[in-house]
This record gives sequence, structure tokens and C-alpha cells, in this order.
Amino acid sequence: KAGVTQTPRYLIKTRGQQVTLSCSPISGHRSVSWYQQTPGQGLQFLFEYFSETQRNKGNFPGRFSGRQFSNSRSEMNVSTLELGDSALYLCASSLAAGVGYEQFFGPGTRLTVL
Amino acid sequence: ELKVEQNPLFLSMQEGKNYTIYCNYSTTSDRLYWYRQDPGKSLESLFVLLSNGAVKQEGRLMASLDTKARLSTLHITAAVHDLSATYFCGGGGADGLTFGKGTHLIIQP
Repeated sequence: KAGVTQTPRYLIKTRGQQVTLSCSPISGHRSVSWYQQTPGQGLQFLFEYFSETQRNKGNFPGRFSGRQFSNSRSEMNVSTLELGDSALYLCASSLAAGVGYEQFFGPGTRLTVL
Repeated sequence: ELKVEQNPLFLSMQEGKNYTIYCNYSTTSDRLYWYRQDPGKSLESLFVLLSNGAVKQEGRLMASLDTKARLSTLHITAAVHDLSATYFCGGGGADGLTFGKGTHLIIQP
């Protein structure tokens, strides 16, 4: 069974630009969560999608948004990039919504903002 | 809001020794997770602890959960170099999984 896939794996952008990251969950998984990992703040929850609906959102500004498609694939978008957005963005999928279901993480997208 | 605190944050130990990583959390959590992360890699699920008194073992790693004390531990027995990694514990709440800062473990020959 294929794992969670994320594209692209690496990305370099400049301040003010916007970026879209993609996540394909494990087949059969309907929930996708996004996390940001930085050396200073550690792992922080961004949002969770289930059945194309945002179920939860972490404490991030509105520049961070996401969506989920009918095939459970998810994208997250960051607009007006700032230097502090440089991070590893991890996507995790689970069978259903809520942390009661084990989350399986993808390899991540490393975003560098110059 | 769930808060998760791990200690120690950094641990250097010799092969063959035993040690324990502690994970304290602030409020009720549906369950407690342990993940491993190698440098430049993603998170690998190690254990899911469901209820008070739960104990799980895989090889040289054993995890336990005490919900009354709001404490989980990850015990390493007779450490080997391959266990060098960063270990995260995480708990469930309304805001998705909340993780500790991670314990950076180095096991030296």
C-alpha cells in the first residue's frame, strides 16, 4: 500500500510570493492534516480536512489556507510569503477525522523563503 | 488547550545503557502517540497508547501511559546506535495533534 505522498519535496520562493503544496493520502484515508515544523516552534498543527470540509484550524494567520478534493487529496496554500514561513510542511492522513485515528505522515515539503 | 512537555530535550548516551524519555501533558487526551524522526525525514509512528496503564513494546523500545498522572514514558533498553533519532510524543485535542518539542537522542558506540 502506497504511503502519503507530498509534492513538491523542495521549494524555494521569495518573500511576497505564494505557494501551493499538495498531499495525496493513503488510499482509503479520508482525513488529511497539515503541520508546520520549524526548529524554533517545533511541530504545529495547521488544519485538518475531512470530506472536503475544514474540520479544525490551528493558530495560524489567514495567509495559510487549504482545501480537500473529492478524492481526499489536499492542497495547502500560503500567500504573501514571509521569511518565517520557511519550514518543513508535513501532511498526515488517517482513516477518518479526529486524533482518535492514527495519523501517517508524508515525507514533507521543505519550503525556503528568501 | 492541550500542552505537551517532553524531557529531556537532548540526550546523549552510550550503547548498552538504559534510559527513559518523559512526556507530560496538561489536559485530557484521547490517546498518546510516539513518533520517531530521523534527520531530514518525516515522522514514523512508533506507538499509539489508548488507555490508562497501556504498555507497548517494540524491540528495545517500550512505551507506557498513566492518564491519572498525565504522563507517558518511552523507555530504551540496551540502546544501540540505530536508535539515534528525535522522538516526539503527541496528544489529541481539538487542535489536532499537539506535539512536544522532541527529544534529540544520540547513542554513541
